[in-house]
Amino acid sequence: DQQVKQNSPSLSVQEGRISILNCDYTNSMFDYFLWYKKYPAEGPTFLISISSIKDKNEDGRFTVFLNKSAKHLSLHIVPSQPGDSAVYFCAARRNTGNQFYFGTGTSLTVIP
Amino acid sequence: KAGVTQTPRYLIKTRGQQVTLSCSPISGHRSVSWYQQTPGQGLQFLFEYFSETQRNKGNFPGRFSGRQFSNSRSEMNVSTLELGDSALYLCASSGITGKYQETQYFGPGTRLLVL
Repeated sequence: DQQVKQNSPSLSVQEGRISILNCDYTNSMFDYFLWYKKYPAEGPTFLISISSIKDKNEDGRFTVFLNKSAKHLSLHIVPSQPGDSAVYFCAARRNTGNQFYFGTGTSLTVIP
Repeated sequence: KAGVTQTPRYLIKTRGQQVTLSCSPISGHRSVSWYQQTPGQGLQFLFEYFSETQRNKGNFPGRFSGRQFSNSRSEMNVSTLELGDSALYLCASSGITGKYQETQYFGPGTRLLVL
């Protein structure tokens, strides 16, 4: 049962434009959400997180939005750069059981 | 701080063999989690260890086991390897605030190929 879903396996964006990666979740017990970036042959790198008490968190070019009523999370990258090309995973932590759940990833390609 | 380290980075085994993977967490982190990544499946949670105790377990068969040592280093063992066990195995460590895990930080992974 996939509790965290990334329905777009891939996304292509022109350099300088906005990249929007989406993530949906089903478990209302999730209280902490994260985005990771992964290059081939490397482990995921933590990008940005958001607590369920917030609806937006910003860090440089990266902004995460949380819509609890829709159980939807999105990552905005502005402006997109070729070095952003990677697989992006969203993850959520449940407030009981203390376990992280990951989506299946979205492969972002930023075209120069 | 040094990051999470995993050894070995690459491993080739044959069906029926067993394998042990090692993970050293970030200094001060007491929680270690293991994940399996296969194409199209994202990161599948194997188990989490905290203070030498398995605290959470995913839906993997008993062939997959782990342990954690007093210095928080962790090992994962897979016995009777199957072709489908070929994957990238990732270790992640995190600090603890109260009873909750903080953000997890990942190692580079061990690429296991079963022939």
